[in-house]
Amino acid sequence: GQNIDQPTEMTATEGAIVQINCTYQTSGFNGLFWYQQHAGEAPTFLSYNVLDGLEEKGRFSSFLSRSKGYSYLLLKELQMKDSASYLCAVRLHNTNAGKSTFGDGTTLTVKP
Amino acid sequence: DAGVIQSPRHEVTEMGQEVTLRCKPISGHNSLFWYRQTMMRGLELLIYFNNNVPIDDSGMPEDRFSAKMPNASFSTLKIQPSEPRDSAVYFCASSPNRGKNIQYFGAGTRLSVL
Repeated sequence: GQNIDQPTEMTATEGAIVQINCTYQTSGFNGLFWYQQHAGEAPTFLSYNVLDGLEEKGRFSSFLSRSKGYSYLLLKELQMKDSASYLCAVRLHNTNAGKSTFGDGTTLTVKP
Repeated sequence: DAGVIQSPRHEVTEMGQEVTLRCKPISGHNSLFWYRQTMMRGLELLIYFNNNVPIDDSGMPEDRFSAKMPNASFSTLKIQPSEPRDSAVYFCASSPNRGKNIQYFGAGTRLSVL
Protein backbone atom coordinates (compact mmCIF):
# COMPACT_ATOMS: atom_id res chain seq x y z
CA GLY A 1 0.00 0.00 0.00
CA GLN A 2 0.87 3.65 -0.05
CA ASN A 3 2.09 5.34 3.11
CA ILE A 4 2.48 9.09 3.60
CA ASP A 5 3.27 10.43 7.06
CA GLN A 6 2.95 13.98 8.33
CA PRO A 7 2.64 15.40 11.84
CA THR A 8 -0.98 15.89 12.79
CA GLU A 9 -0.64 19.34 14.32
CA MET A 10 1.89 22.14 14.67
CA THR A 11 1.82 25.52 16.33
CA ALA A 12 4.03 28.50 15.55
CA THR A 13 4.21 32.22 16.24
CA GLU A 14 3.45 35.01 13.83
CA GLY A 15 6.64 36.16 12.08
CA ALA A 16 8.48 32.92 12.78
CA ILE A 17 9.59 30.09 10.47
CA VAL A 18 8.01 26.64 10.51
CA GLN A 19 8.98 23.41 8.75
CA ILE A 20 6.37 20.74 8.02
CA ASN A 21 7.83 17.33 7.24
CA CYS A 22 6.47 14.57 5.04
CA THR A 23 7.85 11.06 4.60
CA TYR A 24 6.51 8.64 2.04
CA GLN A 25 6.73 5.00 1.07
CA THR A 26 4.88 4.45 -2.17
CA SER A 27 4.82 1.92 -5.00
CA GLY A 28 5.82 4.61 -7.46
CA PHE A 29 6.99 8.20 -7.50
CA ASN A 30 6.56 10.88 -10.10
CA GLY A 31 6.51 14.05 -8.08
CA LEU A 32 5.40 15.43 -4.73
CA PHE A 33 2.82 18.15 -4.17
CA TRP A 34 2.00 20.38 -1.24
CA TYR A 35 -1.53 21.73 -0.97
CA GLN A 36 -2.97 24.24 1.49
CA GLN A 37 -6.47 23.84 2.83
CA HIS A 38 -8.13 26.48 4.98
CA ALA A 39 -10.93 25.31 7.25
CA GLY A 40 -14.14 24.80 5.31
CA GLU A 41 -12.46 25.35 1.96
CA ALA A 42 -10.97 23.25 -0.84
CA PRO A 43 -7.28 22.31 -1.10
CA THR A 44 -5.24 24.66 -3.28
CA PHE A 45 -1.88 23.97 -4.91
CA LEU A 46 1.25 25.35 -3.25
CA SER A 47 4.28 23.57 -4.69
CA TYR A 48 5.58 20.67 -6.74
CA ASN A 49 8.92 18.87 -6.56
CA VAL A 50 10.07 16.06 -8.84
CA LEU A 51 13.85 16.50 -8.59
CA ASP A 52 15.91 16.57 -5.42
CA GLY A 53 16.47 19.99 -3.95
CA LEU A 54 14.74 23.13 -2.88
CA GLU A 55 12.01 25.00 -4.74
CA GLU A 56 11.37 28.53 -3.51
CA LYS A 57 8.25 30.57 -4.11
CA GLY A 58 7.99 33.71 -2.06
CA ARG A 59 7.55 32.93 1.63
CA PHE A 60 7.06 29.23 0.88
CA SER A 61 9.77 26.70 -0.04
CA SER A 62 9.58 22.97 -0.57
CA PHE A 63 12.41 20.45 -0.42
CA LEU A 64 12.63 16.91 -1.75
CA SER A 65 15.01 14.01 -1.18
CA ARG A 66 13.92 11.05 -3.30
CA SER A 67 16.54 8.71 -1.85
CA LYS A 68 15.21 9.35 1.66
CA GLY A 69 11.54 9.47 0.72
CA TYR A 70 11.35 12.84 2.43
CA SER A 71 10.02 16.30 1.78
CA TYR A 72 9.40 19.40 3.81
CA LEU A 73 7.46 22.61 3.37
CA LEU A 74 9.09 25.70 4.84
CA LEU A 75 6.97 28.72 5.67
CA LYS A 76 8.78 31.96 6.49
CA GLU A 77 7.53 35.17 8.06
CA LEU A 78 4.41 33.44 9.26
CA GLN A 79 1.14 35.32 9.06
CA MET A 80 -2.12 34.60 10.80
CA LYS A 81 -3.67 33.69 7.44
CA ASP A 82 -1.19 30.80 7.15
CA SER A 83 -3.24 28.92 9.74
CA ALA A 84 -4.50 26.00 7.67
CA SER A 85 -4.02 22.33 6.96
CA TYR A 86 -1.07 21.42 4.72
CA LEU A 87 -1.40 18.27 2.65
CA CYS A 88 1.50 16.33 1.19
CA ALA A 89 0.60 14.29 -1.91
CA VAL A 90 2.65 11.88 -4.02
CA ARG A 91 1.98 11.40 -7.70
CA LEU A 92 2.47 7.72 -8.18
CA HIS A 93 3.04 7.18 -11.85
CA ASN A 94 3.98 9.02 -14.96
CA THR A 95 0.59 8.55 -16.51
CA ASN A 96 -1.68 11.02 -18.16
CA ALA A 97 -4.26 10.74 -15.42
CA GLY A 98 -2.03 12.19 -12.72
CA LYS A 99 -3.42 10.19 -9.82
CA SER A 100 -1.94 11.22 -6.47
CA THR A 101 -2.11 9.81 -2.95
CA PHE A 102 -2.63 12.35 -0.16
CA GLY A 103 -1.35 12.36 3.39
CA ASP A 104 -3.74 13.14 6.23
CA GLY A 105 -2.50 16.72 6.47
CA THR A 106 -0.79 18.85 9.12
CA THR A 107 -2.94 21.44 10.86
CA LEU A 108 -0.85 24.55 11.45
CA THR A 109 -1.99 27.13 13.98
CA VAL A 110 -0.26 30.49 13.89
CA LYS A 111 -0.51 32.45 17.14
CA PRO A 112 0.08 36.17 17.66
CA ASP B 1 -12.21 30.22 -16.13
CA ALA B 2 -14.63 29.76 -13.24
CA GLY B 3 -12.72 26.79 -11.89
CA VAL B 4 -14.21 23.45 -10.92
CA ILE B 5 -17.88 23.89 -10.11
CA GLN B 6 -19.71 21.58 -7.73
CA SER B 7 -23.34 21.47 -6.76
CA PRO B 8 -25.00 21.49 -4.40
CA ARG B 9 -22.72 23.12 -1.80
CA HIS B 10 -24.70 21.59 1.03
CA GLU B 11 -27.02 18.61 1.09
CA VAL B 12 -29.01 17.35 4.03
CA THR B 13 -30.96 14.16 3.49
CA GLU B 14 -32.44 11.27 5.37
CA MET B 15 -31.03 7.79 5.52
CA GLY B 16 -32.18 5.68 2.57
CA GLN B 17 -32.59 8.58 0.17
CA GLU B 18 -30.71 8.90 -3.10
CA VAL B 19 -28.09 11.65 -3.29
CA THR B 20 -26.58 13.00 -6.51
CA LEU B 21 -23.54 15.25 -6.46
CA ARG B 22 -22.53 17.15 -9.58
CA CYS B 23 -19.27 18.45 -10.95
CA LYS B 24 -18.20 20.57 -13.89
CA PRO B 25 -14.43 20.36 -14.45
CA ILE B 26 -12.25 23.13 -15.84
CA SER B 27 -12.60 23.31 -19.60
CA GLY B 28 -9.78 21.47 -21.35
CA HIS B 29 -8.87 19.29 -18.38
CA ASN B 30 -8.79 15.60 -19.22
CA SER B 31 -8.81 14.04 -15.77
CA LEU B 32 -11.51 14.25 -13.12
CA PHE B 33 -11.28 12.99 -9.55
CA TRP B 34 -13.89 12.44 -6.84
CA TYR B 35 -12.66 12.58 -3.22
CA ARG B 36 -14.30 12.21 0.17
CA GLN B 37 -12.91 14.01 3.22
CA THR B 38 -13.68 13.27 6.87
CA MET B 39 -11.84 14.01 10.09
CA MET B 40 -11.27 10.33 10.71
CA ARG B 41 -10.09 9.22 7.27
CA GLY B 42 -8.69 12.37 5.69
CA LEU B 43 -8.90 12.89 1.94
CA GLU B 44 -9.76 9.66 0.16
CA LEU B 45 -9.79 9.16 -3.60
CA LEU B 46 -13.03 7.47 -4.61
CA ILE B 47 -12.71 7.29 -8.39
CA TYR B 48 -11.03 9.07 -11.25
CA PHE B 49 -11.71 9.45 -14.95
CA ASN B 50 -9.38 10.12 -17.86
CA ASN B 51 -10.98 11.39 -21.05
CA ASN B 52 -14.41 10.50 -19.60
CA VAL B 53 -13.42 6.88 -18.98
CA PRO B 54 -13.26 5.52 -15.40
CA ILE B 55 -9.67 4.46 -14.75
CA ASP B 56 -9.64 3.45 -11.11
CA ASP B 57 -12.70 3.00 -8.92
CA SER B 58 -10.96 0.98 -6.22
CA GLY B 59 -11.70 3.69 -3.68
CA MET B 60 -15.47 3.50 -4.10
CA PRO B 61 -16.65 2.20 -0.73
CA GLU B 62 -19.36 -0.15 -1.92
CA ASP B 63 -22.04 -0.74 -4.49
CA ARG B 64 -24.17 2.05 -3.09
CA PHE B 65 -21.74 4.49 -4.73
CA SER B 66 -21.62 5.06 -8.47
CA ALA B 67 -20.06 7.71 -10.69
CA LYS B 68 -20.53 8.70 -14.29
CA MET B 69 -18.92 11.09 -16.72
CA PRO B 70 -21.17 11.28 -19.78
CA ASN B 71 -19.11 14.05 -21.40
CA ALA B 72 -16.01 16.14 -20.85
CA SER B 73 -17.85 18.86 -18.97
CA PHE B 74 -19.97 16.95 -16.47
CA SER B 75 -19.71 14.21 -13.88
CA THR B 76 -22.00 12.85 -11.17
CA LEU B 77 -21.43 10.89 -8.00
CA LYS B 78 -24.51 9.05 -6.77
CA ILE B 79 -25.17 7.40 -3.44
CA GLN B 80 -28.19 5.11 -3.28
CA PRO B 81 -29.31 4.41 -0.61
CA SER B 82 -27.49 6.91 1.58
CA GLU B 83 -26.42 6.09 5.14
CA PRO B 84 -25.32 8.32 8.05
CA ARG B 85 -21.73 7.12 7.68
CA ASP B 86 -21.66 8.71 4.22
CA SER B 87 -21.72 12.14 5.85
CA ALA B 88 -18.58 13.94 4.66
CA VAL B 89 -17.34 16.65 2.34
CA TYR B 90 -17.12 15.42 -1.23
CA PHE B 91 -14.63 17.17 -3.50
CA CYS B 92 -14.31 17.03 -7.23
CA ALA B 93 -10.97 17.95 -8.83
CA SER B 94 -9.70 18.16 -12.39
CA SER B 95 -6.23 18.22 -13.92
CA PRO B 96 -4.93 18.98 -17.40
CA ASN B 97 -2.80 15.87 -18.16
CA ARG B 98 0.22 17.98 -18.93
CA GLY B 99 3.03 19.64 -17.06
CA LYS B 100 2.85 19.16 -13.32
CA ASN B 101 -0.67 17.73 -13.50
CA ILE B 102 -1.82 19.98 -10.70
CA GLN B 103 -5.24 19.06 -9.40
CA TYR B 104 -7.71 21.94 -9.08
CA PHE B 105 -10.42 21.34 -6.53
CA GLY B 106 -14.00 22.47 -6.46
CA ALA B 107 -15.47 24.04 -3.34
CA GLY B 108 -16.93 20.71 -2.26
CA THR B 109 -20.34 19.41 -1.27
CA ARG B 110 -20.97 19.01 2.44
CA LEU B 111 -23.30 16.02 2.81
CA SER B 112 -25.19 15.25 5.98
CA VAL B 113 -27.22 12.05 6.11
CA LEU B 114 -29.57 11.98 9.10
